[in-house]
Amino acid sequence: DVKVTQSSRYLVKRTGEKVFLECVQDMDHENMFWYRQDPGLGLRLIYFSYDVKMKEKGDIPEGYSVSREKKERFSLILESASTNQTSMYLCASSHQLSSYEQYFGPGTRLTVT
Amino acid sequence: DAKTTQPPSMDCAEGRAANLPCNHSTISGNEYVYWYRQIHSQGPQYIIHGLKNNETNEMASLIITEDRKSSTLILPHATLRDTAVYYCIVRVAGGSARQLTFGSGTQLTVLP
Repeated sequence: DVKVTQSSRYLVKRTGEKVFLECVQDMDHENMFWYRQDPGLGLRLIYFSYDVKMKEKGDIPEGYSVSREKKERFSLILESASTNQTSMYLCASSHQLSSYEQYFGPGTRLTVT
Repeated sequence: DAKTTQPPSMDCAEGRAANLPCNHSTISGNEYVYWYRQIHSQGPQYIIHGLKNNETNEMASLIITEDRKSSTLILPHATLRDTAVYYCIVRVAGGSARQLTFGSGTQLTVLP
């Protein structure tokens, strides 16, 4: 079974803090994704990575950065957290970039106060 | 990408088969049908996908009509843990749009 794990299920941070969200997958997948999910807005892609040290912006990259130093790990960084970044953050991985067979982690519910 | 239409909600008795329909009348020849589900407060879960043949895996079966304008996801013996929102997505495999986007889906409630 594909396992995608995320470092926290719930996180509360203050405005202006730097926030790190970690994601690890154990299936040797080349591709990893960070989404956020908000009521009424559905899933929105923040960044994705198709190889170690490679990354591409998704639809809403502003205010976020990512890091992929190892194949199994993809980190999302909020440089200076703001209240409009309160959301559910979902990490996913897939074997082929063209595939929509993506495997998701359990999500991190981030609240920025 | 082709638009999909799903009923907003369905109920199913525990232990019975749950049949979830999806209309995709504008689907083109190279578009696949994907199904995902999302249990409340959890990440989405991939279920199954297919092009034109019926597909089965350990979770579900996917029946695609011959004209490919509709499909049905079948959970053969629904359990309470199958209560979730089910999403039908149509996508070209190998397309440039890599991200998943979900419509409103079908809320399946499995009743004891």
